[in-house]
Amino acid sequence: TQLLEQSPQFLSIQEGENLTVYCNSSSVFSSLQWYRQEPGEGPVLLVTVVTGGEVKKLKRLTFQFGDARKDSSLHITAAQPGDTGLYLCAGAPYNAGNMLTFGGGTRLMVKP
Amino acid sequence: NAGVTQTPKFRILKIGQSMTLQCTQDMNHNYMYWYRQDPGMGLKLIYYSVGAGITDKGEVPNGYNVSRSTTEDFPLRLELAAPSQTSVYFCASSYTVGTQYFGPGTRLLVL
Repeated sequence: TQLLEQSPQFLSIQEGENLTVYCNSSSVFSSLQWYRQEPGEGPVLLVTVVTGGEVKKLKRLTFQFGDARKDSSLHITAAQPGDTGLYLCAGAPYNAGNMLTFGGGTRLMVKP
Repeated sequence: NAGVTQTPKFRILKIGQSMTLQCTQDMNHNYMYWYRQDPGMGLKLIYYSVGAGITDKGEVPNGYNVSRSTTEDFPLRLELAAPSQTSVYFCASSYTVGTQYFGPGTRLLVL
């Protein structure tokens, strides 16, 4: 079993603060995805990173894939209440078809 | 397109009862998946399918069964409900390796 560990599990911050969420594994992944899930809904894809060292930006969100393709981070600049939700990373192992391994999630609350 | 739809949205079962969770997608995706999400946790794969007539076990298949008679539908069957199956169930589909599109979930409570 290939595990993805996310940290922190919970994060409560004030509007305007910056934060970073981490997703770590001892396994190598062919790609890694970040999803956001709001209460009562299914996860929605934010980004997919494929190349080691790759950095992608989505407005105030910056995603990075580790050089060794074992870890990833999500940085949010000037967090807003609308960023509140559960952030999930999911890795695509090599030779696992289309199955994803999900991390345990980081629950973010941004207070106005 | 409706995407991935799931029914019912919420269900209460008594121990030992059975039920089928329905999942339909209208994106002509070959791959479909069933996950369960326990409170405050990530997603665990129950079963998946790479096409009509083909299914395979995921990480936590015990207590569940699936079938895939059409590309669009991928129902999940619980034969003898147990309290440990209390969870939120998500169905997802994908065209290939990459984005998985999730349904809104079915919240199941087994008492």
